[in-house]
Amino acid sequence: KAGVTQTPRYLIKTRGQQVTLSCSPISGHRSVSWYQQTPGQGLQFLFEYFSETQRNKGNFPGRFSGRQFSNSRSEMNVSTLELGDSALYLCASSLGSSHEQFFGPGTRLTVL
Amino acid sequence: GEDVEQSLFLSVREGDSSVINCTYTDSSSTYLYWYKQEPGAGLQLLTYIFSNMDMKQDQRLTVLLNKKDKHLSLRIADTQTGDSAIYFCADAGMNSGYSTLTFGKGTMLLVSP
Repeated sequence: KAGVTQTPRYLIKTRGQQVTLSCSPISGHRSVSWYQQTPGQGLQFLFEYFSETQRNKGNFPGRFSGRQFSNSRSEMNVSTLELGDSALYLCASSLGSSHEQFFGPGTRLTVL
Repeated sequence: GEDVEQSLFLSVREGDSSVINCTYTDSSSTYLYWYKQEPGAGLQLLTYIFSNMDMKQDQRLTVLLNKKDKHLSLRIADTQTGDSAIYFCADAGMNSGYSTLTFGKGTMLLVSP
């Protein structure tokens, strides 16, 4: 069974731009969660989608948004990029009824 | 809010046991997890323990949970150089339906030959 895939793996953007990251969960998994990882703040929860609905949201500004499609694939969008948005963005999938979350390799975003 | 704390660094020799410690504050924690992250990679789920258990063993890994003190530990027996990585402790609160993980800052384990 294929694992969680994330595209692209690396991105370089400049301040003020926007970016869209994609996550394909493990087949059959209906829940997708997003996390931001930075050296200073560590791993922080962004949001979780289940059956195309945002089910939980972390403490991030409205510039961070996401969505989930009917095939459970998810995208997250960051608008008006700031230098501090440079991070590794990880997505994780789970069955939805299961507590076990499986992570993808992440997308490394660099904002210049 | 909820918090998870870990020591930042541990250095051991190959063949020794490693013990990584973690404390958490969320009383509603139902599951507690250990994840491993190698350089340039995502997080690998190593093991987890349900909050009504004291201990769980999985091959070279032993998880101990002291719920009264909110203390979790991961013991790796016969540590190998391939175990060098960052280890994260995480908890899932019941209120979020297990979907929101709160992570510690991670413990970097360095295994020397």
